[in-house]
Amino acid sequence: DIQMTQSPSAMSASVGDRVTISCRASQGISNNLIWFQQKPGKVPKRLISAASTLERGVPSRFSGSGSGTEFTLTIGSLQPEDFATYYCLQHNSYPYSFGQGTKLEIK
Amino acid sequence: EVQLVESGGGLVQPGGSLRLSCAASGFTFSDYYMDWVRQAPGKGLEWVGRIRNKANSYTTEYAASVKGRFTISRDDSKNSLYLQMNSLKTEDTALYYCTRVPFDYWGQGTLVTVSS
Repeated sequence: DIQMTQSPSAMSASVGDRVTISCRASQGISNNLIWFQQKPGKVPKRLISAASTLERGVPSRFSGSGSGTEFTLTIGSLQPEDFATYYCLQHNSYPYSFGQGTKLEIK
Repeated sequence: EVQLVESGGGLVQPGGSLRLSCAASGFTFSDYYMDWVRQAPGKGLEWVGRIRNKANSYTTEYAASVKGRFTISRDDSKNSLYLQMNSLKTEDTALYYCTRVPFDYWGQGTLVTVSS
């Protein structure tokens, strides 16, 4: 089974900061990776698919990169509404697996 | 408008069974693969399993943690997805979401609590 390791597990940042979240797969998954954002009490929202394709309606300050085993979610300039928990999901092979999440908090 | 509405959650004793349902609307349900994802209280997301569409023989996939205990099924005539959960354990306590593949739409979830 493929293990997904996100780092950091939690971080604090300020509005306007540039933030990077990493996700590492235990074996190659090509670009079969999705990034989600989840706010407290809310349903996960798909932000990026195929590792780097931004979903319609998602602000352009979000971007994704990577292939194989190393992936990155970048938020170019943090806005107040971006404080949330972010998850990666590999859908290259079964069983699918999520990263443990990165909680982004306001500094 | 795409809608997914889960139901059937509740309190069940360890070893017990429960059947969750997910009612779909606003899209051609029969065309899509459907997944279940769960989230234990205060914890991260865990993929539970998948059922493919008729064109792919309604085949299923499961997480190791639920394989042999949980069964995913669907009734395309009722636009409904199901999760039959048997031999429940306390660690199955979670909010269970149904989601349309490729994870673009999610229901609000139904809470399953396994406790004596």
